[in-house]
Amino acid sequence: NAGVTQTPKFRVLKTGQSMTLLCAQDMNHEYMYWYRQDPGMGLRLIHYSVGEGTTAKGEVPDGYNVSRLKKQNFLLGLESAAPSQTSVYFCASSYGVGQAFFGQGTRLTVV
Amino acid sequence: AQSVTQLGSHVSVSEGALVLLRCNYSSSVPPYLFWYVQYPNQGLQLLLKYTSAATLVKGINGFEAEFKKSETSFHLTKPSAHMSDAAEYFCAVRGLGTGTASKLTFGTGTRLQVTL
Repeated sequence: NAGVTQTPKFRVLKTGQSMTLLCAQDMNHEYMYWYRQDPGMGLRLIHYSVGEGTTAKGEVPDGYNVSRLKKQNFLLGLESAAPSQTSVYFCASSYGVGQAFFGQGTRLTVV
Repeated sequence: AQSVTQLGSHVSVSEGALVLLRCNYSSSVPPYLFWYVQYPNQGLQLLLKYTSAATLVKGINGFEAEFKKSETSFHLTKPSAHMSDAAEYFCAVRGLGTGTASKLTFGTGTRLQVTL
């Protein structure tokens, strides 16, 4: 099983550029999440979705947008990247209130 | 809203010693609680979870955690540390409701160092 797959794994952006991170899960999970991980701050929730066509803001949503057009995919967009968005991004999915399964992460550097 | 607090950003133990990583939760009702482990340059994997079935929860790799409602705690323990346990550990909480009430919130993590 592929589980949760994130693409790309690494990316370097210039300030002001845009990009989309793709998360795909093959477990038919309803819930999907985007987190960012920064040293000393743990994982902070950016946006999440409780089903196809629905999204909600997490703790740190500013500067990001998301879409969940298909149940298996959850896209995270940066419209105008800033150095403060340099981070490691993790996608996760879960079925109801069970455990969350994580992707391997995307390391993004904004210069 | 529910939250978790992990006490101690770094914990160092000797190989063979007891591991104790602390987590306290804040929630109006007993929530679902999880411990995850992250090895360098990897994603998170589940160690164990509490979903109200039993207060003492056993997980993988010899870890266990006890849910104590009176102390609002869910501390992670392992009787004897191995070098391979060196990693970062995260406590997480999820509400009992469905929909947006069920979002998963993480603590800031505890880095475990195991020395010879």
